[in-house]
Amino acid sequence: SAVISQKPSRDICQRGTSLTIQCQVDSQVTMMFWYRQQPGQSLTLIATANQGSEATYESGFVIDKFPISRPNLTFSTLTVSNMSPEDSSIYLCSVVTYEQYFGPGTRLTVT
Amino acid sequence: AQTVTQSQPEMSVQEAETVTLSCTYDTSESDYYLFWYKQPPSRQMILVIRQEAYKQQNATENRFSVNFQKAAKSFSLKISDSQLGDAAMYFCAYRTGANSKLTFGKGITLSVRP
Repeated sequence: SAVISQKPSRDICQRGTSLTIQCQVDSQVTMMFWYRQQPGQSLTLIATANQGSEATYESGFVIDKFPISRPNLTFSTLTVSNMSPEDSSIYLCSVVTYEQYFGPGTRLTVT
Repeated sequence: AQTVTQSQPEMSVQEAETVTLSCTYDTSESDYYLFWYKQPPSRQMILVIRQEAYKQQNATENRFSVNFQKAAKSFSLKISDSQLGDAAMYFCAYRTGANSKLTFGKGITLSVRP
């Protein structure tokens, strides 16, 4: 199994600012995933992050808006840049060991 | 492209009764994995059950079981003896390889009546 923590758990931000979300895993994992869950919606994959290489972004998501770092096998960050109210969502970090595990999520509200 | 469809947005069940949540998917792959995840109001995603496509036997985890119909591309979840703590959003999800991404359905909100 894998235990995942995320910081912050929630935040309220002004439009035009940026927020960096941290994801820490209790074991080394090859791939980490970042998902977005808009209010009342399903989860949508933003990007896949491998250690030592550039993140791979899904259609509709770009690096300038959602830069990701993956400095080692247990840690990753997702930055939501130049935020607008449409970015208000829950952002979840996820890893695969045998199963796919999710962090507790970061609830972001942009005003 | 793989798609996962959950056509029922909401369902309700009486406590102690049985409920079935439906899911269909579309894929051209022969080897894949299917999952049901539960998301309570705490928003933590919890894996309920997993099914490998190559296994003919339906997966079972305590009160949770699936009806996996590979030819029909159907993957329903049956919850027996429903409990108040089962109230949550349930997502059906699909994955190909071990390290590939999960594709989720839209989810279904399950309420449990006492």
